[in-house]
Amino acid sequence: QKEVEQNSGPLSVPEGAIASLNCTYSDRGSQSFFWYRQYSGKSPELIMSIYSNGDKEDGRFTAQLNKASQYVSLLIRDSQPSDSATYLCAVTQAAGNKLTFGGGTRVLVKP
Amino acid sequence: GAVVSQHPSRVICKSGTSVKIECRSLDFQATTMFWYRQFPKQSLMLMATSNEGSKATYEQGVEKDKFLINHASLTLSTLTVTSAHPEDSSFYICSARRTGGPLNTGELFFGEGSRLTVL
Repeated sequence: QKEVEQNSGPLSVPEGAIASLNCTYSDRGSQSFFWYRQYSGKSPELIMSIYSNGDKEDGRFTAQLNKASQYVSLLIRDSQPSDSATYLCAVTQAAGNKLTFGGGTRVLVKP
Repeated sequence: GAVVSQHPSRVICKSGTSVKIECRSLDFQATTMFWYRQFPKQSLMLMATSNEGSKATYEQGVEKDKFLINHASLTLSTLTVTSAHPEDSSFYICSARRTGGPLNTGELFFGEGSRLTVL
């Protein structure tokens, strides 16, 4: 079982719609959770971090964390073509401070 | 936000040669830096954790004698790919965590990445 799992996609959404991305993780003791966006050929950029159960909103992005279900999600509201990218879920292991990445979900926002 | 600079951004070399990639934290100190490798259409795979003033910690399956890591100062870590072969061609990305951040909650700041092509 992979430590951090994501649906590879592509997730195709029309412009203006909500994109919903999901991520599950295996280490129940994980402490910190991050969503990164990666454009093709570029390095990842952090868009959201979440540390406690519940929702966290930042602009058009909302991260949701449920530690009991070992599940973290990202919602992108009013999706724009510029949101087309691969979104990486990352988790900090409880035993150390290294980050483990999921395989990423490719999102395509169509005008 | 914090800035991490990586150099070179692109390098092409002949098989059997060695290539050095530098990772610098420009506006903060980083006792720990991480080196990732990413093959096309795959996610980032952690290669090693670079610790300032001590030996790097390598992930399982990563050859420490092939991927030499040196973290000589609080702002610089280097990755040297020795005797590179075509299968080492990949996108290498470094990241750094600001020193003094809360353990296990600090954000990672990524360099721009270095694309290595071994002919």
